[in-house]
Amino acid sequence: QVTLRESGPALVKPTQTLTLTCTFSGFSLSTSGMCVSWIRQPPGKALEWLALIDWDDDKYYSTSLKTRLTISKDTSKNQVVLTMTNMDPVDTATYYCARIQPSVEAYDYWGQGTLVTVSS
Amino acid sequence: DIQLTQSPSFLSASVGDRVTITCRASQGISSYLAWYQQKPGKAPKLLIYAASTLQSGVPSRFSGSGSGTEFTLTISSLQPEDFATYYCQQLNSYPNTFGGGTKVEIK
Repeated sequence: QVTLRESGPALVKPTQTLTLTCTFSGFSLSTSGMCVSWIRQPPGKALEWLALIDWDDDKYYSTSLKTRLTISKDTSKNQVVLTMTNMDPVDTATYYCARIQPSVEAYDYWGQGTLVTVSS
Repeated sequence: DIQLTQSPSFLSASVGDRVTITCRASQGISSYLAWYQQKPGKAPKLLIYAASTLQSGVPSRFSGSGSGTEFTLTISSLQPEDFATYYCQQLNSYPNTFGGGTKVEIK
């Protein structure tokens, strides 16, 4: 059974760095073709793709946010970590992690999401 | 970045209606397009990938078509549980951008 779960602070102050952890089970990120991504959704708005890391440790980032984002993985712990620097109130959103597997060219499993509010 | 434009952004329909949502890409993406359904307070759910392949467990009233720059999601007979917001996403290149969404509401 594949599951993903996001964890991290619910509230961060402006200018702080956000660190989110995606803990998953039911698959291995060392399997060829497997990827985990982060996506966010501000309240009442559309989905926004943030970053992806693949089984080979290749990393890809949102063009507009790439200077602020870092994605990494710990295969032994089944975790993917996203850090976002210099947080601003406009970064208030629900943050999701999701998986791509080799045979499905899309995000087939998602975490339930974690709401992060940026406020002083 | 590849931009995805969904239309309409809002749709009012009745149970039993046939519904079509369009997604246009700013450049060709072959068939690397997925459709998701999202209900309030929930994570998106994958409906269709590779433009026209139905994800396991998704009802057959959902179908997808298209390639290149124009794609459609069709619900053949709208059911009460289908009232939700639908998003397209391209997986042809990074960043894997999403469309702006189409909210389907009860008429």
